[in-house]
Amino acid sequence: IAGITQAPTSQILAAGRRMTLRCTQDMRHNAMYWYRQDLGLGLRLIHYSNTAGTTGKGEVPDGYSVSRANTDDFPLTLASAVPSQTSVYFCASRPRQSHNYGYTFGSGTRLTVV
Amino acid sequence: AQSVTQPDIHITVSEGASLELRCNYSYGATPYLFWYVQSPGQGLQLLLKYFSGDTLVQGIKGFEAEFKRSQSSFNLRKPSVHWSDAAEYFCAVGANYGGSQGNLIFGKGTKLSVKP
Repeated sequence: IAGITQAPTSQILAAGRRMTLRCTQDMRHNAMYWYRQDLGLGLRLIHYSNTAGTTGKGEVPDGYSVSRANTDDFPLTLASAVPSQTSVYFCASRPRQSHNYGYTFGSGTRLTVV
Repeated sequence: AQSVTQPDIHITVSEGASLELRCNYSYGATPYLFWYVQSPGQGLQLLLKYFSGDTLVQGIKGFEAEFKRSQSSFNLRKPSVHWSDAAEYFCAVGANYGGSQGNLIFGKGTKLSVKP
């Protein structure tokens, strides 16, 4: 089934540890995004990639890094996790960066930093 | 800067009753506007979108939304709510970051509960 796969589904992580959240899509979408969702704050954009080989910073990029080595994969890395990064993380994609195309969302990764 | 406000954090309606979820946006030009729905433990699904043209937009699952430029609003409506509509609803506006268009700014969401 075409779509976005996020892994892991959930994770408890000790503060200071490094963690990579994986996101893979099989739709050959050019544009990909990482959002975090926090109660009462909605979804906030962390990083985005308009096409393979390019990335950009969103609204809340501090403490996170991304890479886009190919079209399908867009991993999000927390170099040294802190408790404020406890959140639900959603990866999304669309065929191109234009608003004419809607987003497809993954099912999310629930991360708890203790 | 672009922004989206959803004034209602939580709304409860009876099954079969009509529904209106409010959304106000701030944007300098003609906005791209979206409504998404999120069921518990799931990702977001696109309900409908507005780019231009007819200000009344039809979406999936019987939802519609009306764009009102004079009020900077894009309210979501449904004439008769079903128990399966209980979910969280997010309004979003197309935004630019670093000159790159195509990103979305989301409101904080409205949680809909449906009474039997």
